[in-house]
Amino acid sequence: KNQVEQSPQSLIILEGKNCTLQCNYTVSPFSNLRWYKQDTGRGPVSLTIMTFSENTKSNGRYTATLDADTKQSSLHITASQLSDSASYICVVSDITAGNKLTFGGGTRVLVKP
Amino acid sequence: EADIYQTPRYLVIGTGKKITLECSQTMGHDKMYWYQQDPGMELHLIHYSYGVNSTEKGDLSSESTVSRIRTEHFPLTLESARPSHTSQYLCASSENTGELFFGEGSRLTVL
Repeated sequence: KNQVEQSPQSLIILEGKNCTLQCNYTVSPFSNLRWYKQDTGRGPVSLTIMTFSENTKSNGRYTATLDADTKQSSLHITASQLSDSASYICVVSDITAGNKLTFGGGTRVLVKP
Repeated sequence: EADIYQTPRYLVIGTGKKITLECSQTMGHDKMYWYQQDPGMELHLIHYSYGVNSTEKGDLSSESTVSRIRTEHFPLTLESARPSHTSQYLCASSENTGELFFGEGSRLTVL
């Protein structure tokens, strides 16, 4: 069964600090990997999308990296802001299953002033 | 900003009631999805549709049903709600790239 594992489950950081979230997956081959941000009580919003040939993708203070050899992705948040408090979800698309999406459990980030 | 809308945002009903959660998108996407998410937990696919008159069950078994009579509309219905149906229901649509555009969700509480 394809899996997407995220770590840590939760994270508390001080405003202005950086943090890195991890995503390990077993889906292979995959067509793309996405990171979504989900504010409490809201629907997820796409942050980055990467294909297997891309190593890094940035969206403002969010930078995602991908290592297809080790099947790992990370999401780095730079100079965190209070509005970064949310869950961050890693989603991998399985190219052999009609691009079926496998969701990670998410990392809950809390930014404190 | 995604043009996908869900109503109601919040619903509290008694056991045995029939409810319909509405989902509409104005992006012309063929693919639409319903996910169920308990607080602090991951999303689980319960229904999807790849076009008009096409509906399939997702990975998580659900007593709800869906219909896709129009491209832009993908309502979810529970014929007889139970407390175990209490959850957040998220509707999404996608284009060919596979990127999901989510609605704001419908939080259902069954007493």
